[in-house]
Amino acid sequence: ELKVEQNPLFLSMQEGKNYTIYCNYSTTSDRLYWYRQDPGKSLESLFVLLSNGAVKQEGRLMASLDTKARLSTLHITAAVHDLSATYFCAVDERSNYQLIWGAGTKLIIKP
Amino acid sequence: DAGVTQSPTHLIKTRGQQVTLRCSPKSGHDTVSWYQQALGQGPQFIFQYYEEEERQRGNFPDRFSGHQFPNYSSELNVNALLLGDSALYLCASRYNPDRGRTEAFFGQGTRLTVV
Repeated sequence: ELKVEQNPLFLSMQEGKNYTIYCNYSTTSDRLYWYRQDPGKSLESLFVLLSNGAVKQEGRLMASLDTKARLSTLHITAAVHDLSATYFCAVDERSNYQLIWGAGTKLIIKP
Repeated sequence: DAGVTQSPTHLIKTRGQQVTLRCSPKSGHDTVSWYQQALGQGPQFIFQYYEEEERQRGNFPDRFSGHQFPNYSSELNVNALLLGDSALYLCASRYNPDRGRTEAFFGQGTRLTVV
């Protein structure tokens, strides 16, 4: 059974700091997604990582995928308050049709 | 492109009642999945529809059923509502995953409250 673990589950940080969210998964997969969710809102797609070594950047967020280590990271550079949200990673299970989700990381960025 | 649209956005029902939620997928997408998200938790997969058939089902009771129409839109039905069914229900659409794993786009969700 595919399991996806995120850590930390909660992160409070100051503006201007850097930090990384980690997403580990338990079985073979070559497609990983990062989503953002604001309180009471739906899920917004941030990154689609398709292969080993994939790196994508958008503004202050950068995501990477290491399929051999079964690890993805979401790095936040010089955080700003607008990035406060809950971030989820999700993995496509090859033998299945569903996305398997991490528990989410609630990120609070203090001015 | 309107993206994935869901209706209604909010709903209040009484225990024991039945509810129907609706979803129109993003243009060109033929596969629709439904997720339940309880407060403070990640989405839980309910089921996926493709070619008007349920292709995969998560760990949800038979009270949860669905349908997909020829235009790829979908409905989620929940019978005999329980208080624990209160959640945000999310619809996601994508191209058929057999064509290659593709990104899922989510609707704005339906907030269901059971009282």
